[in-house]
Amino acid sequence: DSGVTQTPKHLITATGQRVTLRCSPRSGDLSVYWYQQSLDQGLQFLIQYYNGEERAKGNILERFSAQQFPDLHSELNLSSLELGDSALYFCASSDRLVGGELFFGEGSRLTVL
Amino acid sequence: AQSVTQPDIHITVSEGASLELRCNYSYGATPYLFWYVQSPGQGLQLLLKYFSGDTLVQGIKGFEAEFKRSQSSFNLRKPSVHWSDAAEYFCAVETDSSYKLIFGSGTRLLVRP
Repeated sequence: DSGVTQTPKHLITATGQRVTLRCSPRSGDLSVYWYQQSLDQGLQFLIQYYNGEERAKGNILERFSAQQFPDLHSELNLSSLELGDSALYFCASSDRLVGGELFFGEGSRLTVL
Repeated sequence: AQSVTQPDIHITVSEGASLELRCNYSYGATPYLFWYVQSPGQGLQLLLKYFSGDTLVQGIKGFEAEFKRSQSSFNLRKPSVHWSDAAEYFCAVETDSSYKLIFGSGTRLLVRP
């Protein structure tokens, strides 16, 4: 058990819809990372937050947004969903801004039909 | 931009044989280097990391990796593979300036009995 909790574990929705994925980091970790894993794109870095502030952004689509709340949990919002958004979305947390070990959740598997 | 290349998509070895997984990175300065392992249906777990100092680093589960600056490589090795090592292995790189942990495309390890 990594200590990182992601909900929901599985989600099936239709194109055009909006979903929210939730992540609770390990106790005390200030950094939260979001990744998208798909067969054709591999593990893609989306965004990182540190203590509530966005610190790094990767290949995150404009239809996607994220935030980290004062209690340090984070949410990834995916809107206007397309078939190609079907993937496994991982959250990870770390106790450092950079160079720390990332602890990964088990992921949220999103299926867009 | 930083990048990580894992040239081998799949590797098959016999149980008890030695293993080397290749990783090359592209970045001007010395980055933080990591190896993570992902078992089926699970999140990623850190095997080992290199920040500075001794270029041969030891990790969990009997793995080690060697940083070679001249070759921009950080190859993962294990002297004797166990069937439980079958998984997908990811090399990753992060820098002080980018705050992004970027993963390679992964190498899937199959272990023959």
